[in-house]
Amino acid sequence: DIQMTQSPSSLSASVGDRVTITCRASQNINSYLNWYQQKPGKAPKVLIYAASSLHSGVPSRFSGSGSGTDFTLTISRLQPEDFATYYCQQSYSTLYSFGQGTKLEIK
Amino acid sequence: QVQLVESGGGLVNPGGSLRLSCAASGFTFSDYYMSWIRQAPGKGLEWVSYISTSGTTIYYADSVKGRFTISRDNAKDSLYLQMNSLRAEDTAMYYCARGRTVLRGGNFVDYWGQGTLVTVSS
Repeated sequence: DIQMTQSPSSLSASVGDRVTITCRASQNINSYLNWYQQKPGKAPKVLIYAASSLHSGVPSRFSGSGSGTDFTLTISRLQPEDFATYYCQQSYSTLYSFGQGTKLEIK
Repeated sequence: QVQLVESGGGLVNPGGSLRLSCAASGFTFSDYYMSWIRQAPGKGLEWVSYISTSGTTIYYADSVKGRFTISRDNAKDSLYLQMNSLRAEDTAMYYCARGRTVLRGGNFVDYWGQGTLVTVSS
């Protein structure tokens, strides 16, 4: 099974900050990496798919990069609505797996 | 608009069974692979099962293999999850999820239901 490890597990930041979350796969997954945002009590929403493609309707302050085993999600200028938990997810193997999540909190 | 509405969750004793349903609308259900994804209280996301458009390809997480069965009825625009031999660790919110395939980019979930809560406890 492919293990996905996110860092950090939690992060405090201020509105307007630039934030980067990393995700590492236990083996090569090419660009088969997605990022989701989840707010309390809500279902997740996709932000980035195929490592760097911005999903329709997602603000351009979100971006993704990486390939192989190392990936990043960057939020260029944090907005109040961005405080949430973020998950990476691989679809390279048939046993799709998520990272453990990164909780982004207001400083 | 795309809608996925889960039902069938509830409180069940350990060793018991439940059948979850997901009613899809707003899109051509038979064109999309579907999945069940769960989230234990206060925990992260776990992919439970995947079913292809025709139902011929199915995958399960190791944690549920042999106990859960995913199925779909394209004539009724519905997805199902039959859960047997339930354990306390199966307690979670269960989400119905629509998948999209990207050329040279794998798959991702573009729509989620609101979830149905399954609680396994005596």
